[in-house]
Amino acid sequence: AQRVTQPEKLLSVFKGAPVELKCNYSYSGSPELFWYVQYSRQRLQLLLRHISRESIKGFTADLNKGETSFHLKKPFAQEEDSAMYYCALSGGERALTFGSGTRLQVQP
Amino acid sequence: DAGVTQSPTHLIKTRGQQVTLRCSPKSGHDTVSWYQQALGQGPQFIFQYYEEEERQRGNFPDRFSGHQFPNYSSELNVNALLLGDSALYLCASSLPGQMNTEAFFGQGTRLTVV
Repeated sequence: AQRVTQPEKLLSVFKGAPVELKCNYSYSGSPELFWYVQYSRQRLQLLLRHISRESIKGFTADLNKGETSFHLKKPFAQEEDSAMYYCALSGGERALTFGSGTRLQVQP
Repeated sequence: DAGVTQSPTHLIKTRGQQVTLRCSPKSGHDTVSWYQQALGQGPQFIFQYYEEEERQRGNFPDRFSGHQFPNYSSELNVNALLLGDSALYLCASSLPGQMNTEAFFGQGTRLTVV
């Protein structure tokens, strides 16, 4: 069975501090990993996926197959980064398995 | 393009009743997936429709059923509602093609069972 674990329900940092949102997964094959974000009063939207190897809004995430992790990082947090972040996994059929989410609060 | 649209936005039903939720996918998208999001949890996959057939199903009972129409829009039906079915129901659509894995989500339907 596939599972995604986000150990932190809430992460609170000050503006300009580094951010790391943790995500661990279990899957027997080669999954595709995603980070989705939900800003206040907006719909869930894709932030980035591991196959793109992009930096979106200053965020990056590296897939570590040895540690089965896909942590989301940003060197300098901004207040507009405050949102709910979900790590998700796809086994190739486009159905997503989500973690329980981490709320990021960036304080001024 | 309005993106993925869902109706209604809110709904209150009584235990034992039946409910139908509706979803229109983003223009050009042929695959529709439904998710249930309980309070404080991440979305949980219910099922996915492609070419008017259920292609994949999560761990949900048969009380949950769906349909996809020729225009790719979709319905989620839940029979014999339980209090535990109270949740936000999300619809997501995606483009055709094996490489198009990004899911576009609607705003959701908030279902309350009393």
